[in-house]
Amino acid sequence: QKEVEQNSGPLSVPEGAIASLNCTYSDRVSQSFFWYRQYSGKSPELIMSIYSNGDKEDGRFTAQLNKASQYVSLLIRDSQPSDSATYLCAVNSYGNEKLTFGTGTRLTIIP
Amino acid sequence: EAGVAQSPRYKIIEKRQSVAFWCNPISGHATLYWYQQILGQGPKLLIQFQNNGVVDDSQLPKDRFSAERLKGVDSTLKIQPAKLEDSAVYLCASSLDRPRSYGYTFGSGTRLTVV
Repeated sequence: QKEVEQNSGPLSVPEGAIASLNCTYSDRVSQSFFWYRQYSGKSPELIMSIYSNGDKEDGRFTAQLNKASQYVSLLIRDSQPSDSATYLCAVNSYGNEKLTFGTGTRLTIIP
Repeated sequence: EAGVAQSPRYKIIEKRQSVAFWCNPISGHATLYWYQQILGQGPKLLIQFQNNGVVDDSQLPKDRFSAERLKGVDSTLKIQPAKLEDSAVYLCASSLDRPRSYGYTFGSGTRLTVV
Protein backbone atom coordinates (compact mmCIF):
# COMPACT_ATOMS: atom_id res chain seq x y z
CA GLN A 1 0.00 0.00 0.00
CA LYS A 2 1.33 3.40 -0.95
CA GLU A 3 1.88 5.78 1.94
CA VAL A 4 -0.01 8.64 0.28
CA GLU A 5 -2.54 7.95 -2.44
CA GLN A 6 -4.21 10.29 -4.86
CA ASN A 7 -6.29 9.77 -7.96
CA SER A 8 -3.96 10.77 -10.79
CA GLY A 9 -6.82 12.17 -12.87
CA PRO A 10 -7.11 14.03 -15.07
CA LEU A 11 -9.97 15.76 -13.32
CA SER A 12 -11.91 18.17 -15.53
CA VAL A 13 -14.09 20.82 -13.92
CA PRO A 14 -16.06 23.64 -15.59
CA GLU A 15 -14.97 27.17 -14.82
CA GLY A 16 -16.82 28.54 -11.79
CA ALA A 17 -17.59 25.09 -10.34
CA ILE A 18 -16.09 23.47 -7.24
CA ALA A 19 -13.09 21.20 -7.75
CA SER A 20 -12.66 18.44 -5.18
CA LEU A 21 -9.31 16.72 -4.75
CA ASN A 22 -8.83 13.76 -2.45
CA CYS A 23 -5.95 12.09 -0.68
CA THR A 24 -5.65 9.12 1.66
CA TYR A 25 -2.67 8.17 3.79
CA SER A 26 -1.63 4.97 5.49
CA ASP A 27 0.35 6.10 8.55
CA ARG A 28 -2.04 6.66 11.45
CA VAL A 29 0.46 8.82 13.33
CA SER A 30 0.62 11.37 10.54
CA GLN A 31 0.51 14.85 12.00
CA SER A 32 0.65 17.48 9.32
CA PHE A 33 -0.89 17.65 5.89
CA PHE A 34 -0.07 19.90 3.00
CA TRP A 35 -1.36 20.67 -0.46
CA TYR A 36 1.09 21.80 -3.10
CA ARG A 37 0.22 23.11 -6.55
CA GLN A 38 2.56 22.35 -9.43
CA TYR A 39 2.22 24.00 -12.81
CA SER A 40 3.65 22.14 -15.78
CA GLY A 41 7.42 22.56 -15.87
CA LYS A 42 7.50 24.35 -12.53
CA SER A 43 8.35 23.31 -8.99
CA PRO A 44 5.68 22.64 -6.33
CA GLU A 45 4.39 25.61 -4.34
CA LEU A 46 2.67 25.32 -0.97
CA ILE A 47 -0.95 26.46 -0.98
CA MET A 48 -2.53 24.95 2.14
CA SER A 49 -1.62 23.21 5.36
CA ILE A 50 -3.90 21.55 7.92
CA TYR A 51 -3.17 19.85 11.23
CA SER A 52 -6.49 19.36 13.02
CA ASN A 53 -9.67 17.55 12.10
CA GLY A 54 -12.20 19.71 10.32
CA ASP A 55 -12.05 22.41 7.70
CA LYS A 56 -9.55 25.19 7.09
CA GLU A 57 -10.41 27.94 4.64
CA ASP A 58 -8.08 30.30 2.80
CA GLY A 59 -9.74 32.36 0.10
CA ARG A 60 -11.15 30.03 -2.53
CA PHE A 61 -9.37 27.03 -1.03
CA THR A 62 -10.68 24.79 1.75
CA ALA A 63 -8.70 21.89 3.18
CA GLN A 64 -10.58 19.16 5.02
CA LEU A 65 -9.03 16.60 7.36
CA ASN A 66 -10.52 13.45 8.84
CA LYS A 67 -7.86 11.59 10.81
CA ALA A 68 -10.18 8.74 11.75
CA SER A 69 -10.70 7.97 8.07
CA GLN A 70 -7.11 8.94 7.17
CA TYR A 71 -8.42 11.25 4.54
CA VAL A 72 -7.57 14.79 3.50
CA SER A 73 -9.17 16.80 0.73
CA LEU A 74 -8.86 20.14 -1.02
CA LEU A 75 -11.83 22.07 -2.35
CA ILE A 76 -11.37 24.88 -4.82
CA ARG A 77 -14.41 27.12 -5.14
CA ASP A 78 -15.18 29.26 -8.19
CA SER A 79 -12.55 27.37 -10.21
CA GLN A 80 -10.53 29.46 -12.63
CA PRO A 81 -8.50 28.39 -15.67
CA SER A 82 -5.40 29.47 -13.71
CA ASP A 83 -6.17 26.68 -11.24
CA SER A 84 -5.29 24.12 -13.92
CA ALA A 85 -2.28 22.32 -12.49
CA THR A 86 -1.22 19.15 -10.69
CA TYR A 87 -2.09 19.13 -6.99
CA LEU A 88 0.20 17.19 -4.69
CA CYS A 89 -0.83 15.94 -1.27
CA ALA A 90 2.02 15.70 1.25
CA VAL A 91 2.03 14.16 4.70
CA ASN A 92 4.38 14.44 7.65
CA SER A 93 4.52 11.73 10.29
CA TYR A 94 5.27 12.14 13.96
CA GLY A 95 8.93 11.87 14.80
CA ASN A 96 10.43 12.91 11.51
CA GLU A 97 10.91 16.09 9.59
CA LYS A 98 10.24 15.01 6.03
CA LEU A 99 7.20 15.14 3.79
CA THR A 100 5.94 12.16 1.83
CA PHE A 101 4.16 13.07 -1.37
CA GLY A 102 1.40 11.44 -3.35
CA THR A 103 1.61 11.11 -7.11
CA GLY A 104 -0.57 14.16 -7.65
CA THR A 105 -3.92 14.82 -9.31
CA ARG A 106 -3.95 16.70 -12.60
CA LEU A 107 -6.76 19.25 -12.62
CA THR A 108 -8.03 20.96 -15.74
CA ILE A 109 -10.51 23.84 -15.53
CA ILE A 110 -12.60 24.06 -18.67
CA PRO A 111 -13.54 27.64 -19.70
CA GLU B 1 13.60 36.83 1.24
CA ALA B 2 15.53 35.08 -1.52
CA GLY B 3 14.23 31.64 -2.42
CA VAL B 4 16.00 28.32 -2.82
CA ALA B 5 18.51 28.62 -5.64
CA GLN B 6 19.38 25.68 -7.86
CA SER B 7 21.63 25.25 -10.85
CA PRO B 8 21.79 24.31 -13.60
CA ARG B 9 18.16 24.48 -14.77
CA TYR B 10 18.65 21.88 -17.46
CA LYS B 11 21.25 19.24 -18.16
CA ILE B 12 21.52 16.64 -20.91
CA ILE B 13 24.15 13.93 -20.57
CA GLU B 14 24.88 10.53 -22.02
CA LYS B 15 24.46 7.43 -19.92
CA ARG B 16 27.49 6.51 -17.85
CA GLN B 17 28.56 10.15 -17.64
CA SER B 18 28.61 12.04 -14.36
CA VAL B 19 26.65 15.13 -13.37
CA ALA B 20 26.40 17.43 -10.37
CA PHE B 21 23.65 19.71 -9.15
CA TRP B 22 23.97 22.63 -6.78
CA CYS B 23 21.55 24.05 -4.22
CA ASN B 24 21.66 27.12 -2.02
CA PRO B 25 18.86 27.11 0.57
CA ILE B 26 17.00 30.04 2.07
CA SER B 27 19.23 31.83 4.53
CA GLY B 28 18.86 30.42 8.02
CA HIS B 29 17.11 27.23 6.97
CA ALA B 30 18.82 24.38 8.78
CA THR B 31 17.15 21.51 6.97
CA LEU B 32 17.79 20.77 3.30
CA TYR B 33 16.23 18.08 1.15
CA TRP B 34 16.90 16.62 -2.28
CA TYR B 35 13.91 15.10 -4.05
CA GLN B 36 13.69 13.26 -7.35
CA GLN B 37 10.55 13.75 -9.42
CA ILE B 38 10.08 11.46 -12.38
CA LEU B 39 7.57 12.64 -14.97
CA GLY B 40 4.01 11.88 -13.86
CA GLN B 41 5.03 11.01 -10.30
CA GLY B 42 5.23 12.84 -7.01
CA PRO B 43 8.55 13.94 -5.55
CA LYS B 44 10.53 11.19 -3.84
CA LEU B 45 12.96 12.02 -1.06
CA LEU B 46 16.58 11.16 -1.81
CA ILE B 47 18.37 12.70 1.15
CA GLN B 48 17.72 15.01 4.08
CA PHE B 49 20.35 17.13 5.82
CA GLN B 50 20.10 18.86 9.17
CA ASN B 51 22.82 21.51 9.11
CA ASN B 52 25.71 19.52 7.60
CA GLY B 53 24.68 16.11 8.92
CA VAL B 54 22.67 13.47 7.08
CA VAL B 55 19.33 12.68 8.73
CA ASP B 56 17.84 10.32 6.15
CA ASP B 57 19.42 8.85 3.03
CA SER B 58 17.54 5.58 3.02
CA GLN B 59 16.25 6.06 -0.54
CA LEU B 60 19.47 7.38 -2.04
CA PRO B 61 21.00 4.88 -4.53
CA LYS B 62 24.39 5.05 -2.91
CA ASP B 63 26.15 3.04 -5.59
CA ARG B 64 25.75 5.98 -7.97
CA PHE B 65 24.38 8.97 -6.05
CA SER B 66 26.23 11.05 -3.49
CA ALA B 67 25.43 14.30 -1.74
CA GLU B 68 27.16 16.63 0.62
CA ARG B 69 26.37 19.81 2.47
CA LEU B 70 29.55 21.55 3.47
CA LYS B 71 29.40 24.12 6.27
CA GLY B 72 25.67 23.52 6.63
CA VAL B 73 24.71 25.83 3.76
CA ASP B 74 25.13 24.90 0.08
CA SER B 75 24.65 21.36 -1.08
CA THR B 76 25.65 19.34 -4.11
CA LEU B 77 24.09 16.16 -5.45
CA LYS B 78 26.16 14.01 -7.79
CA ILE B 79 25.30 11.09 -10.02
CA GLN B 80 28.10 8.88 -11.31
CA PRO B 81 27.56 7.02 -13.56
CA ALA B 82 24.15 8.13 -14.80
CA LYS B 83 21.53 5.70 -16.08
CA LEU B 84 18.61 6.33 -18.39
CA GLU B 85 16.19 5.93 -15.47
CA ASP B 86 17.82 8.87 -13.70
CA SER B 87 16.06 11.21 -16.12
CA ALA B 88 13.96 13.36 -13.82
CA VAL B 89 13.66 16.73 -12.17
CA TYR B 90 15.86 17.08 -9.11
CA LEU B 91 14.30 19.39 -6.57
CA CYS B 92 16.02 20.97 -3.62
CA ALA B 93 13.95 22.22 -0.69
CA SER B 94 14.75 23.88 2.60
CA SER B 95 12.84 24.50 5.79
CA LEU B 96 13.03 26.07 9.21
CA ASP B 97 13.47 23.73 12.10
CA ARG B 98 9.90 22.46 12.02
CA PRO B 99 8.84 21.60 8.50
CA ARG B 100 5.98 19.61 9.93
CA SER B 101 4.45 22.92 10.90
CA TYR B 102 5.34 25.03 7.92
CA GLY B 103 6.03 22.69 5.03
CA TYR B 104 8.99 23.66 2.96
CA THR B 105 9.99 25.73 -0.04
CA PHE B 106 11.26 24.19 -3.24
CA GLY B 107 13.80 25.56 -5.65
CA SER B 108 13.09 25.72 -9.36
CA GLY B 109 14.65 22.31 -9.92
CA THR B 110 17.15 20.83 -12.35
CA ARG B 111 15.72 18.86 -15.25
CA LEU B 112 18.10 16.03 -16.12
CA THR B 113 17.83 14.09 -19.36
CA VAL B 114 20.03 11.03 -19.76
CA VAL B 115 20.34 9.82 -23.35
